[in-house]
Amino acid sequence: NAGVMQNPRHLVRRRGQEARLRCSPMKGHSHVYWYRQLPEEGLKFMVYLQKENIIDESGMPKERFSAEFPKEGPSILRIQQVVRGDSAAYFCASSPSRGIDGYTFGSGTRLTVV
Amino acid sequence: DQQVKQNSPSLSVQEGRISILNCDYTNSMFDYFLWYKKYPAEGPTFLISISSIKDKNEDGRFTVFLNKSAKHLSLHIVPSQPGDSAVYFCAASPREMNNNAGNMLTFGGGTRLMVKP
Repeated sequence: NAGVMQNPRHLVRRRGQEARLRCSPMKGHSHVYWYRQLPEEGLKFMVYLQKENIIDESGMPKERFSAEFPKEGPSILRIQQVVRGDSAAYFCASSPSRGIDGYTFGSGTRLTVV
Repeated sequence: DQQVKQNSPSLSVQEGRISILNCDYTNSMFDYFLWYKKYPAEGPTFLISISSIKDKNEDGRFTVFLNKSAKHLSLHIVPSQPGDSAVYFCAASPREMNNNAGNMLTFGGGTRLMVKP
């Protein structure tokens, strides 16, 4: 009865490298949401996905960031050519249906760009 | 443009006393409000919620009050316990809106609660 699984828990990347963050939703959940928490701030919505579809990416930076949720496997948040300002905690949440009912968060991936 | 604000970054309370955490919002489309608790290196965990059709919701030691006219909500914890020490986030959603906005939460910046034994 695992919850939302995110890995890795910690990720260190040098400037210019790529970062890949993975999120496996709770069993029975087919809706995935990514949030970013910058130091000393609240969580900010980035993107909402269902299997094979991006539903809402209004919070995603226009460049370097992309997300996918394939038919098989976890959801991936990909950050290309990372910069120091990308250092943050990235949280994934999942829900069984559209909307915020049953929203459950994972433990997050802390990305550090050196 | 912060639509949800928690103006107190930290709060210190003696064990057994009441903790009151405050949250203000500006978007009148928000109709559902939640409080999350977050320990270091963990994700936020849901604590309690309230719909805009109510002004109070209670669950054990936790009570959330909503004042729609003032666009203000508060979380009361009584009695406070050392294990309550964590960062508390207020979040809001226009839940009944039939568009993508109802799928996301807008968070405040958090209040760090410290309960002293």
